[in-house]
Amino acid sequence: DIQMTQSPSSLSASVGDRVTITCRASQSISSYLNWYQQKPGKAPKLLIYAASILQSGVPSRFSGSGSGTDFTLTISSLQPEDFATYYCQQSYNYPPITFGQGTRLEIK
Amino acid sequence: QIALKESGPALVKPTQTLTLTCTISGFSLTTSGVGVGWIRQPPGKALEWLALIFWDDDKHYSPSLKNRLTITKDTSKNQVVLTMTNMDPVDTATYYCAHRTNYDHLWGTYRPDNWFDPWGQGTLVTVSS
Repeated sequence: DIQMTQSPSSLSASVGDRVTITCRASQSISSYLNWYQQKPGKAPKLLIYAASILQSGVPSRFSGSGSGTDFTLTISSLQPEDFATYYCQQSYNYPPITFGQGTRLEIK
Repeated sequence: QIALKESGPALVKPTQTLTLTCTISGFSLTTSGVGVGWIRQPPGKALEWLALIFWDDDKHYSPSLKNRLTITKDTSKNQVVLTMTNMDPVDTATYYCAHRTNYDHLWGTYRPDNWFDPWGQGTLVTVSS
C-alpha cells in the first residue's frame, strides 16, 4: 500500500499568513494527488486535483504543486474561512485509495 | 447538480451487519466513467477509504476490510449500497459516500485518476451493545 504522510499534523497561523502543508507518498505517484478541506461537522470538499489543478469555484489563494513523492498545498493569504483540516489523497496504485492523516489549521 | 445522501441505522450492535444506502441525484450510475465511493471517518480521526463501484459494476475494496465489505448498485433506484459484516465498536464512524470523477475541467479531458467530488453529508454509525 502507498502511505501518505502529511506535515505538520497541526499548524497555528494568523489571517493573512502564507501557509504551506506538505504531503509525502511512500513511493512515486506521478501527479495523482488530490487535496480536500474539511470543516468541523462537515463533509470534505475537493480543493485541488492532479496535484495542481484548482477545482472550479475554489479561491485562487489555494494552490498545489509537486510530483513523484513530494507535494505541497499553499494558501497564499489565510482567510478566516480557511481554518479547517486538510487531507491529501492518492489513487495512483489502488486499491487501496489512501488519505493522509490530515493537517489541522488553527487560528493563532 | 450532483448530490448524494447517506442513510442507514445510527446504532448497531457488535457482530451485526451494517447496511448503508447512498441515494444519488444529478448523475446516472449507467454513465460511462461514473463511480461512487464509500469513505469513513472515526470521531476525531482521519479519512479511510472503504470501497468504490463503477458504472460497469467494476468494484474495488480496501484490502484490510475486503472480507467484510460488499458494494452494490441499483441503477433503477439511483442507489449504491454498502454492507459491512461483523461490526465492532472500532467501526464507529461517520460514513460518507462520494461521487468519483476523473474529469479535468481545465483541459476538458478525462485523467487516469480518481478523486471524490462532491460528498454526501455523512451518517454517524455507532457500534455499541
